[in-house]
Amino acid sequence: AQSVAQPEDQVNVAEGNPLTVKCTYSVSGNPYLFWYVQYPNRGLQFLLKYITGDNLVKGSYGFEAEFNKSQTSFHLKKPSALVSDSALYFCAVREANDYKLSFGAGTTVTVRA
Amino acid sequence: GAVVSQHPSRVICKSGTSVKIECRSLDFQATTMFWYRQFPKQSLMLMATSNEGSKATYEQGVEKDKFLINHASLTLSTLTVTSAHPEDSSFYICSARVLAYEQYFGPGTRLTVT
Repeated sequence: AQSVAQPEDQVNVAEGNPLTVKCTYSVSGNPYLFWYVQYPNRGLQFLLKYITGDNLVKGSYGFEAEFNKSQTSFHLKKPSALVSDSALYFCAVREANDYKLSFGAGTTVTVRA
Repeated sequence: GAVVSQHPSRVICKSGTSVKIECRSLDFQATTMFWYRQFPKQSLMLMATSNEGSKATYEQGVEKDKFLINHASLTLSTLTVTSAHPEDSSFYICSARVLAYEQYFGPGTRLTVT
């Protein structure tokens, strides 16, 4: 069975400050990890993914995430947050041999001006 | 890039009626599409996996006779909510599998049953 935990329901940061959204996962095999962002009443937009290779993954809109196998984590980061980054962020995982994604509960990010 | 559309974006229907939601892959062919349900401020719950030309695979606890899924072509999957009730009101999102790794999501359909 696979699962994802996003320990923080909300993250609040000031514009220009670093942003981190935490994610830990559990899978029985090699994980495929994803981050998505959702704006109100919209579908999910893909930000980045980790399949294999470098542990630091760079994605859209200046976001990056670091895969840490020993800590089973895949935290999303942005060095300098923008007000427009305010949204709902989902971490997702799937096993290498399964197409089904399991999503975390989501983290609401609020960036204040 | 891969674009997935959904129609309608919003629908209001009366209790007891049926509603059909379409999910289309606009610039690629999708052998597999997924249907999710999302309650306010909650995560996505996978309802079913839709494969072109075959019966959908439903997740545990999802009533297949209530949520009818048809994947008649490589670019279209439909979800029909039959005999809708207020508790079926939700945000329904589809996604299409692209290559081996990624799913691209539609913009979602807000269903309100009165």
